Amino acid sequence: GDSVTQMEGPVTLSEEAFLTINCTYTATGYPSLFWYVQYPGEGLQLLLKATKADDKGSNKGFEATYRKETTSFHLEKGSVQVSDSAVYFCALTENTGNQFYFGTGTSLTVIP
Amino acid sequence: DGGITQSPKYLFRKEGQNVTLSCEQNLNHDAMYWYRQDPGQGLRLIYYSQIVNDFQKGDIAEGYSVSREKKESFPLTVTSAQKNPTAFYLCASTRRGTGSTDTQYFGPGTRLTVL
Repeated sequence: GDSVTQMEGPVTLSEEAFLTINCTYTATGYPSLFWYVQYPGEGLQLLLKATKADDKGSNKGFEATYRKETTSFHLEKGSVQVSDSAVYFCALTENTGNQFYFGTGTSLTVIP
Repeated sequence: DGGITQSPKYLFRKEGQNVTLSCEQNLNHDAMYWYRQDPGQGLRLIYYSQIVNDFQKGDIAEGYSVSREKKESFPLTVTSAQKNPTAFYLCASTRRGTGSTDTQYFGPGTRLTVL
């Protein structure tokens, strides 16, 4: 069945450091891939998405590229800020199904 | 502004009582979902509905019930049969259901605490 595996946390970085959060997936068909962000006590917000192989999703300085050959969708940001501290979830959905599959989340803390 | 509202933000319940969590969306989305989130963990699907008057069990439906009488509303009842109901509950929706890869949008969540 479909599944998402993402990097274990927590991750702690200094401000302006480079961020990578790894995400790999298993899917039976051609999924769409997503990154969501959750701030403390809030719901999930869509950060970026990609719907087909080699697509790059980007938003607020974050980027992720849909790599079919490695079944990956790693999240990157060149220079993190304290305000990026949150939990990040990788997710997928397929047009052959009716559910979303989420990773377990990666907690990021950015220190000044 | 379109979106998903969940009420209340915080809910306290005594053991043995049923409680209903509200979820309303004005996005005109067909599909709606309920998830449970425990501290430090990912999301687990409780129930989902692709269309009015129809819903399916997710991975952890035991002790929960839902209804979908209107397109915009998908309330979740946590019954006394749910053994460990204290958690953060998230409602979500997508524009279309089966056969689509539409983005899932989330409400702000309800934190339920059983005393």
